[in-house]
Amino acid sequence: RKEVEQDPGPFNVPEGATVAFNCTYSNSASQSFFWYRQDCRKEPKLLMSVYSSGNEDGRFTAQLNRASQYISLLIRDSKLSDSATYLCVVMGATGGGNKLTFGTGTQLKVEL
Amino acid sequence: GAGVSQSPSNKVTEKGKDVELRCDPISGHTALYWYRQSLGQGLEFLIYFQGNSAPDKSGLPSDRFSAERTGGSVSTLTIQRTQQEDSAVYLCASSLRGQLGYTFGSGTRLTVV
Repeated sequence: RKEVEQDPGPFNVPEGATVAFNCTYSNSASQSFFWYRQDCRKEPKLLMSVYSSGNEDGRFTAQLNRASQYISLLIRDSKLSDSATYLCVVMGATGGGNKLTFGTGTQLKVEL
Repeated sequence: GAGVSQSPSNKVTEKGKDVELRCDPISGHTALYWYRQSLGQGLEFLIYFQGNSAPDKSGLPSDRFSAERTGGSVSTLTIQRTQQEDSAVYLCASSLRGQLGYTFGSGTRLTVV
């Protein structure tokens, strides 16, 4: 089983739609969780951290379910500019420490 | 500097040659990571430096790969006797210890021909 698993997509959605991505991780001792966004041929950029209580940043909502070891990202009222690859990132996935382990990403395409 | 700086941005080298990739982290950031990303693939961890602690080298794929970080700042990743499978984008990231935001540089695109 991969340390961090994501559905690769692509998710093709119309502008204004709500879309959700899920991610699962294998190490129950993982400490911190993030969503990064990566545009084509660009470096990943931190979108948001994920907290157990759930957190929201504008149109984006992230949630963590430690019992089921999954993380979600919800994007409401999607924009064309949201088109990118969304990377699920877990810290401490393999034996602890501060190593970040990245999922392979979920591709989102928002269309007119 | 304002961001993580990597050089060169692109490097084409012949198979068998050695290459050095440089990362200049954000000033004051104590943690520094190297990752690589092959075309259409996820990010693969290579090595992690945290302050003066011994680096976590568990991701280096072979003994042809080495990295150092001098003075707790600039880091160089060296690949000896490059192979075609080394072709990838090499990304560097840095963060403040205890902070949870990691900033990536724009990467070095290495092509081994």
